[in-house]
Amino acid sequence: DQQVKQNSPSLSVQEGRISILNCDYTNSMFDYFLWYKKYPAEGPTFLISISSIKDKNEDGRFTVFLNKSAKHLSLHIVPSQPGDSAVYFCAVIAGGTSYGKLTFGQGTILTVHP
Amino acid sequence: DTGVSQDPRHKITKRGQNVTFRCDPISEHNRLYWYRQTLGQGPEFLTYFQNEAQLEKSRLLSDRFSAERPKGSFSTLEIQRTEQGDSAMYLCASSGSRVQPQHFGDGTRLSIL
Repeated sequence: DQQVKQNSPSLSVQEGRISILNCDYTNSMFDYFLWYKKYPAEGPTFLISISSIKDKNEDGRFTVFLNKSAKHLSLHIVPSQPGDSAVYFCAVIAGGTSYGKLTFGQGTILTVHP
Repeated sequence: DTGVSQDPRHKITKRGQNVTFRCDPISEHNRLYWYRQTLGQGPEFLTYFQNEAQLEKSRLLSDRFSAERPKGSFSTLEIQRTEQGDSAMYLCASSGSRVQPQHFGDGTRLSIL
């Protein structure tokens, strides 16, 4: 039972253009949402997060959007750079008595071409 | 470097052997998590420590797996009688609160021959 889904295994974008990565979730109890980036042979690196009380959060070139009614999360990267090429994971935290464990999607491989 | 440190980076062993991995979290973080990642999947939660107390374990953590965090500092994850299906990347993460982003180590890649 996949509670968090990233339906696009890969995305290819030209340098300077926008990259949009998408994530869908099923459980309305999730109250905190994060994006991580992962390079080969390294652990995931935190990028940006958003709580369920907001619908948008920006940090430099990265913006995360949350649509609670659609249970949909997206990450926008503008402008995209070749160094952004990596695997991107969305992750969620359940509210209530959760100890903060992360539930991850399967990941999307982003390739930014010069 | 004050990030999360994991040792070893790569472990190759024969089926049936026992292995132990170590994680040193960021020193001021009281929360420590173990995850497992297989090819083409996102990391999956294994277990959680708050200080020295193990407060949550996934059903993925069979009886062959045990984790400890003595004195609330470093943590160890032991797998007994390894099986082919245990081959994966084992990741450790730490944080200071439930919604503070978790910082990950670079993982230990386990290969079972």
